[in-house]
Amino acid sequence: DAGITQSPRHKVTETGTPVTLRCHQTENHRYMYWYRQDPGHGLRLIHYSYGVKDTDKGEVSDGYSVSRSKTEDFLLTLESATSSQTSVYFCAISDTGTALDEQYFGPGTRLTVT
Amino acid sequence: AQTVTQSQPEMSVQEAETVTLSCTYDTSESDYYLFWYKQPPSRQMILVIRQEAYKQQNATENRFSVNFQKAAKSFSLKISDSQLGDAAMYFCAYRSVTNFGNEKLTFGTGTRLTIIP
Repeated sequence: DAGITQSPRHKVTETGTPVTLRCHQTENHRYMYWYRQDPGHGLRLIHYSYGVKDTDKGEVSDGYSVSRSKTEDFLLTLESATSSQTSVYFCAISDTGTALDEQYFGPGTRLTVT
Repeated sequence: AQTVTQSQPEMSVQEAETVTLSCTYDTSESDYYLFWYKQPPSRQMILVIRQEAYKQQNATENRFSVNFQKAAKSFSLKISDSQLGDAAMYFCAYRSVTNFGNEKLTFGTGTRLTIIP
C-alpha cells in the first residue's frame, strides 16, 4: 500500500468554525489531490497540487483552500464550515500526474458539520 | 467537459456467477484512460483495472475484464466467478491524456455490488 495517511479520520464540527484536514505521504510523489465523496456524485476534485507551493482549483473548490509547504503534506482548509461541506474527503497522490500514472488514495476523512 | 455515467445504482449477483457493471462516458477527446475503482466498506479506493483508449484489446486482470467500445463510448466491467470479497461500490473513472501532468480523474456516481451467498 502507498504510504498515505489522513488526519483526522473522523471529525464533527459546528457551522462557521474553521477546519483543517491533513494529508501526509511518504512516497515523495509530486502530485497530491483532494476529493470529496457524496452520495449520487461519486468523487469530485476540490484542489490539487503539482509541487511545493503550487496548487490549482478543481471542479468544487468554492469554500476550500489548500496549502503545501512540504512535499509530504497537503492541507485542506474549510475557512468557515457549512452543512453542505459534510462529506467524506479523500486525499490522493500521483508520481508524475499523467494519465498513465496511478493515483493512490488515502483512507478518507469523514467530516460532519452540524 | 467529460462526463461519466453509471446507470445502475445497485446490482446483485449470486456467488460464483458472473456480473457486468455498465459505464458510459462522453468526451470529444481521442486519447484517454478509463478506470474501474473498487471501494469496499473500509472506504479504501482500490484500482481494479485500467484501459488505454488507443488500445483495441480489452484489459483483463484475473477475474476482472472490461468490454471497451470506443465508438459507443462504453466501458463495462465483467466480474467472473464472483466472490464475497467483491462486494463493494464500484466507480468508473475517466482521465484525459494531455501530458501536462495535471490530468484529473472524473468519476461516475458508482454501482453498489452485493454478492449473494
